[in-house]
Amino acid sequence: EAQVTQNPRYLITVTGKKLTVTCSQNMNHEYMSWYRQDPGLGLRQIYYSMNVEVTDKGDVPEGYKVSRKEKRNFPLILESPSPNQTSLYFCASLPGTGAIEAFFGQGTRLTVV
Amino acid sequence: AQSVTQPDIHITVSEGASLELRCNYSYGATPYLFWYVQSPGQGLQLLLKYFSGDTLVQGIKGFEAEFKRSQSSFNLRKPSVHWSDAAEYFCAVGAWAGNMLTFGGGTRLMVKP
Repeated sequence: EAQVTQNPRYLITVTGKKLTVTCSQNMNHEYMSWYRQDPGLGLRQIYYSMNVEVTDKGDVPEGYKVSRKEKRNFPLILESPSPNQTSLYFCASLPGTGAIEAFFGQGTRLTVV
Repeated sequence: AQSVTQPDIHITVSEGASLELRCNYSYGATPYLFWYVQSPGQGLQLLLKYFSGDTLVQGIKGFEAEFKRSQSSFNLRKPSVHWSDAAEYFCAVGAWAGNMLTFGGGTRLMVKP
């Protein structure tokens, strides 16, 4: 089954404790992206990647890092989480140039206390 | 820069009534337009999309949307709402595949019995 898988689905952590949210897709998609969803603000793009070893900032990249060492994986790293990063996070992937339908993961609800 | 506005944060309709959710976008060229639905605790599901051609597009679950270039709008409609349609709806615009999507703030739909 074609899917985008995020882990964990729920996470509560403390300020300053580094964490990683994983994202994996099994569709051989070139493009992957991370969004955060906050009430009234919709989804805002954090980082995106157009291919292996190619990443770029989205609209709200501060406080986040990403890496794309393999095509299927695109982890989101919070080196020193803060309470304002409490949010619902979505990973998405796209097949590549000319394809514009994004596939989304189920989301990761992160709470930073 | 592209942007999307969903003027209605909350909408309540009675079951069986018609529905229209508004979406206005700002983009310099012909956009790719999408409507996504998010049920409580779920990820995003694509309802429909517009690339080009016929400005009235049909989607899943009985939804349709009409692209009006002169009004920069892409409103979502359904002739008869079901209780299971209660969810949050997001309009999104995309420039091209690699640049991913810009989302509106979302409209939360509640359905009265």
